[in-house]
Amino acid sequence: AQSVAQPEDQVNVAEGNPLTVKCTYSVSGNPYLFWYVQYPNRGLQFLLKYITGDNLVKGSYGFEAEFNKSQTSFHLKKPSALVSDSALYFCAVRDFSPVSGGYNKLIFGAGTRLAVHP
Amino acid sequence: EAQVTQNPRYLITVTGKKLTVTCSQNMNHEYMSWYRQDPGLGLRQIYYSMNVEVTDKGDVPEGYKVSRKEKRNFPLILESPSPNQTSLYFCASSSRGRDEQFFGPGTRLTVL
Repeated sequence: AQSVAQPEDQVNVAEGNPLTVKCTYSVSGNPYLFWYVQYPNRGLQFLLKYITGDNLVKGSYGFEAEFNKSQTSFHLKKPSALVSDSALYFCAVRDFSPVSGGYNKLIFGAGTRLAVHP
Repeated sequence: EAQVTQNPRYLITVTGKKLTVTCSQNMNHEYMSWYRQDPGLGLRQIYYSMNVEVTDKGDVPEGYKVSRKEKRNFPLILESPSPNQTSLYFCASSSRGRDEQFFGPGTRLTVL
């Protein structure tokens, strides 16, 4: 079964410093991986995805993610954190199980809360 | 503006009192789904729909019902709510062939 793990409940970083939010995955076959962000009192917003190609994927708001097949990881990164980046971040993998009938079901991790301090 | 709307945004109810949470999207998406979000568990899919009149169970369907009579609407029905259904609920939609899902703002439900 497809799954993702986010090993950190919370990440704290000072504004201006680089940030990393970790995600590891377990899939059969090639993974389709995603990052979503949830700001307070809002729904989830798509940040970026990896399907194939370059291991470094660029997304919205200056975020990028590095796909590492040997380490089965898909860590989210940003070179310089902003206080406004403080939010809940979810890693997800697409479920290609035949049971889902072709529907693009996502399996989400538990989420990591990012706190950027001034 | 392309969006997914949910109503109500907040609801406090009592055990056993039937309720419906509405979801509507204006993007003509084929796929719609309902998730619940609980601390430490992330989002878990309750039900999904691939098109009008086509629905199927997700990972945690017990205690919930859905219907898809129109393409834009996908209501979530709790026939007899229980306290363990206290949660934050999200509706999402997506287009066939596209991976990005669009989420509504969420409905915070408390069952006393």
